[in-house]
Amino acid sequence: EAGVAQSPRYKIIEKRQSVAFWCNPISGHATLYWYQQILGQGPKLLIQFQNNGVVDDSQLPKDRFSAERLKGVDSTLKIQPAKLEDSAVYLCASSLDPHSPLQGYTFGSGTRLTVV
Amino acid sequence: DQQVKQNSPSLSVQEGRISILNCDYTNSMFDYFLWYKKYPAEGPTFLISISSIKDKNEDGRFTVFLNKSAKHLSLHIVPSQPGDSAVYFCAASSTSGTYKYIFGTGTRLKVLA
Repeated sequence: EAGVAQSPRYKIIEKRQSVAFWCNPISGHATLYWYQQILGQGPKLLIQFQNNGVVDDSQLPKDRFSAERLKGVDSTLKIQPAKLEDSAVYLCASSLDPHSPLQGYTFGSGTRLTVV
Repeated sequence: DQQVKQNSPSLSVQEGRISILNCDYTNSMFDYFLWYKKYPAEGPTFLISISSIKDKNEDGRFTVFLNKSAKHLSLHIVPSQPGDSAVYFCAASSTSGTYKYIFGTGTRLKVLA
């Protein structure tokens, strides 16, 4: 089974620029998550999709962050404009069944964003 | 407000001995708990889970204990191996709506050969 694919692996941008991250979840996984992990902290959920609908985006800074999941498969997360405090690893995860809470998610390797 | 806390940022253990990683939570509505392991430059990997109807779950060398009254869970690794050296995160979720896991800040485990 192929894992969760993310690209790019690394990105360095200047503040106020825009950036986009891409995620391809495991085939058949209906639920997709974007997490932000700042250095020294645990992953924080930004947005959760069920198929192509948003389930939870309560912690997404909507003035600068946006995400979409077209056709219920791939997803993109965009930041525009970026701030220094957005420097973090952005992790995408997917799960087969959101109603099986003990199965855990499968995470991708993440995109490390540095804003200078 | 940190709802899930891992108060030990790091832990060193000799190979073959027991590693005990601790996690505390504040929200009494949490009833599902996961442990993840993370190697550098990789995403977290699911390790083991427990629901609040149990107080122990075991999978090979890994055992998770849950003390609901103390709002505390721990991960035991016996025997510890050098390959277990990683950052370990605990995560907790309630049953309301879809399951949204809140992660702790992680504990870096180093197993010394």
